Amino acid sequence: GQQLNQSPQSMFIQEGEDVSMNCTSSSIFNTWLWYKQDPGEGPVLLIALYKAGELTSNGRLTAQFGITRKDSFLNISASIPSDVGIYFCGGATNKLIFGTGTLLAVQP
Amino acid sequence: KAGVTQTPRYLIKTRGQQVTLSCSPISGHRSVSWYQQTPGQGLQFLFEYFSETQRNKGNFPGRFSGRQFSNSRSEMNVSTLELGDSALYLCASMLASGTYEQYFGPGTRLTVT
Repeated sequence: GQQLNQSPQSMFIQEGEDVSMNCTSSSIFNTWLWYKQDPGEGPVLLIALYKAGELTSNGRLTAQFGITRKDSFLNISASIPSDVGIYFCGGATNKLIFGTGTLLAVQP
Repeated sequence: KAGVTQTPRYLIKTRGQQVTLSCSPISGHRSVSWYQQTPGQGLQFLFEYFSETQRNKGNFPGRFSGRQFSNSRSEMNVSTLELGDSALYLCASMLASGTYEQYFGPGTRLTVT
């Protein structure tokens, strides 16, 4: 099935560090979304982006819709242990396609 | 407002059997999408229903089918189960088709033996 390229695949960081991850595609999307999934649960929507160049924040999270419309970025500042989980990007035009996920581990 | 609910949460079936999974969207949401999540393939789109009509379909065999009722509740059915169908099946609802701000349920963990 079709998936977006998401990197890095995993990150192991210390509490308090900033985190950056990105998602790239060969296709143009009209919408970029970022989700977080905890073990045994469904993904939870973090941020939605609708315009090229758009920069949106949700607390310590900031996401950007790439100018080319083929990529998006998510930054987490001052990470805390509860940030642990798998982060997925999603790109949409007429359907939503997900990235491969970034596993984030935060050591207290 | 209650979130998306899925039943059952866990299911064990045998190869060749069929299974029906249920999803109740957030109140007022008319669009329901289904996804299959596996460690190897990630989140794969199955289909989307809006106002009882299938609007989009992913690349899954015909053994996977779904429907939506007038109250927006949705079911998906998998017939002639195969071992490879073992996965977490996620349902997501959104207010209207095309906005893509989807809200996911907790999923149904299907194990095929």
